[in-house]
Amino acid sequence: GAVVSQHPSRVICKSGTSVKIECRSLDFQATTMFWYRQFPKQSLMLMATSNEGSKATYEQGVEKDKFLINHASLTLSTLTVTSAHPEDSSFYICSASVDRDYGYTFGSGTRLTVV
Amino acid sequence: GDSVTQMEGPVTLSEEAFLTINCTYTATGYPSLFWYVQYPGEGLQLLLKATKADDKGSNKGFEATYRKETTSFHLEKGSVQVSDSAVYFCALNPLSGGYNKLIFGAGTRLAVHP
Repeated sequence: GAVVSQHPSRVICKSGTSVKIECRSLDFQATTMFWYRQFPKQSLMLMATSNEGSKATYEQGVEKDKFLINHASLTLSTLTVTSAHPEDSSFYICSASVDRDYGYTFGSGTRLTVV
Repeated sequence: GDSVTQMEGPVTLSEEAFLTINCTYTATGYPSLFWYVQYPGEGLQLLLKATKADDKGSNKGFEATYRKETTSFHLEKGSVQVSDSAVYFCALNPLSGGYNKLIFGAGTRLAVHP
């Protein structure tokens, strides 16, 4: 079945540094990938939609300059949290769409802690 | 706009009890409906899905029926196990919109005790 690999699973970084999270579709081509943020004991908040070869579409209230998304190939999308601050600490999850009826495959998530 | 409403948790059950987690939705057109499960510290796994009215999705003993007349997609399992303890998310993929993003409910935490 469709598998999405997300890396790293956990990262701790210092305030002011940048962190890159990778999301790869292993056995299918994903023209569209999604990036979510999840706060403890809460639902997933869609941050942006990543489209291969074009600019990402950000949801209202998400800072595009802080959360840089690059979707350079049909199997890789990256989320870079720039100049991270403690309030950016969260669980980030990527997802890829195979097709509308199939549903979506999710990565295993990345726990980001900014100290 | 499109939305998903789930029953609030946590739901606490004893092993072998019957489980129902209610989910209702608001959408234009004919969305696809999904249940996802999230175990602690992990991403989401697709549990089951239904793409049209009266479809029943099933997997691992869980079932849900797409009810257009009541706009519902309730999750049920006849006999839960401790290993079913997780957070369950109901979601829909709306027909409308420029791209096919999922809309999630708030999630329902299930705790099953021996």
